[in-house]
Amino acid sequence: KNQVEQSPQSLIILEGKNCTLQCNYTVSPFSNLRWYKQDTGRGPVSLTIMTFSENTKSNGRYTATLDADTKQSSLHITASQLSDSASYICVVSDRGTGGGADGLTFGKGTHLIIQP
Amino acid sequence: DAGVIQSPRHEVTEMGQEVTLRCKPISGHDYLFWYRQTMMRGLELLIYFNNNVPIDDSGMPEDRFSAKMPNASFSTLKIQPSEPRDSAVYFCASSRGAWGEQFFGPGTRLTVL
Repeated sequence: KNQVEQSPQSLIILEGKNCTLQCNYTVSPFSNLRWYKQDTGRGPVSLTIMTFSENTKSNGRYTATLDADTKQSSLHITASQLSDSASYICVVSDRGTGGGADGLTFGKGTHLIIQP
Repeated sequence: DAGVIQSPRHEVTEMGQEVTLRCKPISGHDYLFWYRQTMMRGLELLIYFNNNVPIDDSGMPEDRFSAKMPNASFSTLKIQPSEPRDSAVYFCASSRGAWGEQFFGPGTRLTVL
């Protein structure tokens, strides 16, 4: 069964500090991995998408890494800001059998709190 | 573009009542998805449509749940009768193509008493 495990479940850090969120998956065959940011009371918004051949991708202060061999991904946030407080969800696609839309496995997310 | 629009944003109802959630996808997107999110289970795909046709409804928990997409700009998710365990946030998302980025709406927070 395809699974996506995220750690930690929650994290509190001080503004300006860096942090790293982890995502381990057992999805096979692997197609791509996405990190979403979900602010409280809003829908998820895509931060990055990585395919098998990519091992690093940045989006501003967010840097995602992917190790397809160990089936691990991380999301590193540099110089955190109060607006980074949100849940971060890892989603892995196996393309599925129905054109891919049904091949998504979602992690339960990491709840990040940035304190001033 | 206004993004994906959902209504209502909040719904409180009593057990046994019918609930209808509404979604307007982004214009030009040919895929529409309905998700449910709870603390315990995270995000779960309920059903998705391609060009208004339901493709996979294997995530729909029970026959009490039904979804329709009468045209490219409107979809509904109906729960009849509703139960307290249906309490969750329901998201609608749309994408261009099966592999395109999914854009999520703001969600409908449903509380069934």
